[in-house]
Amino acid sequence: VQLVESGGGLVQPGGSLRLSCAASGFTFTNYWMSWVRQAPGKGLEWVANVKQDGSQKNYMESTKGRFSISRDNVKNSLDLQMDSLRAEDTAVYYCVRGGGRLDGWGQGILVTVSS
Amino acid sequence: EIVLTQSPATLSLSPGERATLSCRASQSVGSFLNWYQQKPGQAPRLLIFDASNRATGIPARFSGSGSETDFSLTISSVEPEDFVVYYCQQRSSWPFSFGQGTKLEIK
Repeated sequence: VQLVESGGGLVQPGGSLRLSCAASGFTFTNYWMSWVRQAPGKGLEWVANVKQDGSQKNYMESTKGRFSISRDNVKNSLDLQMDSLRAEDTAVYYCVRGGGRLDGWGQGILVTVSS
Repeated sequence: EIVLTQSPATLSLSPGERATLSCRASQSVGSFLNWYQQKPGQAPRLLIFDASNRATGIPARFSGSGSETDFSLTISSVEPEDFVVYYCQQRSSWPFSFGQGTKLEIK
């Protein structure tokens, strides 16, 4: 299982960022996929997940209406569009295989929301 | 939303001792409780899924037990590389949630 995130960085409050994850080493279309984040020095938070065919998506309450998860089953990729970013969204974001059982993790990518 | 409370926050033991980490759910999660290990600077790794099943490649010294609201992760004999942070996580109902973590430290 290989998951490689990209697209992180520094963004101002209210700005937007799009994270991408390239998946390989497994049959992408067989798995739910998730984004999980971890603020510096803090615990884990489940941001969103998406079903194999993209027909079902779930979001944590504080990101509803601001974040959008999507997947491309041809390119074997997972995206997270993040709008109206806030300081409290600052975290390492992990691309993860699984919808309930998280059995494969990317290395994580840092998103910093600051002016 | 289901809240998971892990205890203790920090557990101090010596190598070779038995470690028991606890996770309590605010309402029943059945057996839909997973455990993860996170080493410094690394992504978490799945240890135990559905309360008592070891994930692929996980040493036999790790075991999980419990159901409904009370769960435990046991390390039968702690190795030096086990002194890191452990999280429980429920997948019974959305939003799926994690405990706040237990840090296992060397005494």
